[in-house]
Amino acid sequence: SQQGEEDPQALSIQEGENATMNCSYKTSINNLQWYRQNSGRGLVHLILIRSNEREKHSGRLRVTLDTSKKSSSLLITASRAADTASYFCATDALGGAQKLVFGQGTRLTINP
Amino acid sequence: EPEVTQTPSHQVTQMGQEVILRCVPISNHLYFYWYRQILGQKVEFLVSFYNNEISEKSEIFDDQFSVERPDGSNFTLKIRSTKLEDSAMYFCASNSNGWEAFFGQGTRLTVV
Repeated sequence: SQQGEEDPQALSIQEGENATMNCSYKTSINNLQWYRQNSGRGLVHLILIRSNEREKHSGRLRVTLDTSKKSSSLLITASRAADTASYFCATDALGGAQKLVFGQGTRLTINP
Repeated sequence: EPEVTQTPSHQVTQMGQEVILRCVPISNHLYFYWYRQILGQKVEFLVSFYNNEISEKSEIFDDQFSVERPDGSNFTLKIRSTKLEDSAMYFCASNSNGWEAFFGQGTRLTVV
C-alpha cells in the first residue's frame, strides 16, 4: 500500500543549524505535501510539490522530490526554537480521490 | 485568513454513546475529509466527501461511522456507539482543487 515514511524518527539540533528530514513512499503520486504539527495541535500545511517538480522553496524551507527514488526531503535552514514540532510528509495517489497518506513523522527538537 | 474550524476541541464520552464531531470547512472548498490520529501514531484517512456523497472511505470507516453535510457550511462525523479504541484526535480537512488540504485544529475524543 502507498505509504509515506519519514526518517529520522527524531532529530535534535542546535538553534541556527539546518534540519533535514526525508520521506519515502511506494506508489506513483500526484503531489507530495509537508505538514507541521505542534504537540497536540492541528496540522499546518507547509509546502506542496507536484510530481513534475524537483525542487521548491518557501522562506526557510526547501523541498526536493525524486520520483525515480520515490523520495522527498524537507530542509529547514537557520532553525529556530519555534520550529520544534513534528513534521509529516503526505502523498496522494495518482488517480485517487485526493486522500492523503501520512508518514509516521519526524519529531524535530531545536535546542536554544 | 480563512480556516477550518472544529468543535468541540475536546470531547469525553462514555463507551457506547454516540458522538458528533463538527467541522466548518473553508467556504468555497468542495472536498471534505475526516482523518484521525491515535496518540503517538500517524494521521490516518477516514473518509472523503465530494458533491454531497462519500467519494472514498478507509477500512476504519465502518458502519459505526457516518458523515453528513446538513447545510451549506457544516460537515459532521458521527460515531454511533463509541469504543475505547475510538479515542483519538479527529481532524477535518477541506480543499478546493483536490490538492492542498487545510486542516482544522482537531477534536480530541476520549472514550471512557
